[in-house]
This record gives sequence, structure tokens and C-alpha cells, in this order.
Amino acid sequence: AQTIHQWPVAEIKAVGSPLSLGCTIKGKSSPNLYWYWQATGGTLQQLFYSITVGQVESVVQLNLSASRPKDDQFILSTEKLLLSHSGFYLCAWSPLGGGAEQFFGPGTRLTVL
Amino acid sequence: GQQVQQSPASLVLQEGENAELQCNFSTSLNSMQWFYQRPGGSLVSLFYNPSGTKHSGRLTSTTVIKERRSSLHISSSQTTDSGTYLCALDHNAGAKLTFGGGTRLTVRP
Repeated sequence: AQTIHQWPVAEIKAVGSPLSLGCTIKGKSSPNLYWYWQATGGTLQQLFYSITVGQVESVVQLNLSASRPKDDQFILSTEKLLLSHSGFYLCAWSPLGGGAEQFFGPGTRLTVL
Repeated sequence: GQQVQQSPASLVLQEGENAELQCNFSTSLNSMQWFYQRPGGSLVSLFYNPSGTKHSGRLTSTTVIKERRSSLHISSSQTTDSGTYLCALDHNAGAKLTFGGGTRLTVRP
């Protein structure tokens, strides 16, 4: 069975500090991977997606970047956090080839002060 | 304008009543997913429904592509059904899900 793990569970960071959020999928080779973000009280929106190692497409610009260093790992990061980065970050995967159901991780709650 | 619109934005029921949640979309559809969002934010997948009707316990999802709508029916609501329900449109063969704003359901005992 496939499992998806996100870390950390929650993070409180200062404005201007760096950030790295991680996502790992086990039990599935070559998945499509996605990052989503939801501001408090807002709508979930997709930030990035990746169909293969080393390749990431940006969907929404939020002064964030993403990388896929391994087949089963997706990293979301920034060198300088903004207050507007606060919210809930979700990682998801779908089988290679697209057009299929997406499966979501437990999420990371980020608070920027 | 918004590609995915959910209605109603909020709904209050007495336990035992039925609920009908709507999701209307303005673009072409590859598939539709319905989720329950827990208070902490994580998502529980309810249905992956490209078209037609699917059932799961007290839940029924119906997607009508021609009419650009999908619905989630909850029968005999329970207090534990309270929470936020999200629909998400896949209109690009899996590369992107566009979420609706959600319906916040409250079921009173």
C-alpha cells in the first residue's frame, strides 16, 4: 500500500527566515507529485507539480520554490518567508500518466510571525 | 471568474436530515473529486467521479458533465458529518486540481 508522509507536522517561523517542507511517498514508483496551499479561511490552490525527478512546474507564484531530488520526494522551500506564507500545505500524488485520482498527505501547518 | 463554485457556502441541518451539496464548473471536466476536510486541515477522499453516480454508505456523488455540475448527497445526516466538504475539478488530465471554496456543514443533535 502507498503511504504519503509530510514533515514537519507544524512549524512556527519568523518573517525572513528560510523554510523547507518535505513530502515522501512510499510504495509507488514514478508518481506525479503536487504541492497545494490553503490560507486560513481560503481556498486550496495548487502551487507546483512534478511528473519526474528533477522536473517541477510552477502553477502559482508565491515566492516559493519546489524541487524533486528523488523519485519519492518533493520539497517546498523558500529563503525568506513572508507573513502571507502562513497556512496549510498539502502534498499529493497520483499515478504516472495523469487523469487519475489524487491522494493527499496529512499536511503541514505553517505560521509565520 | 471562478472555475469551480460550491453551494451552499454553509448549511445547518438537524440530525437525520438529508444534505445536497452542489459543485458547478465552467470549464471542461476530466474528473471530479469530493473531499471531507477535517478541522485540522487534512483531506479525506470521498469520491473520484468522472461521470455518473457513485455510492459509499450514506454518501452519493453524481457528476453530469453536460450540465457542468457535480453533487454530493448525504442521507440521514449525523453530527459526525459536520465539517467542510470540498469538490475539486481535474480539467487537465491530472496535472492540476482546481478546488471549490467548500461547503461548511453543521449537523445539530
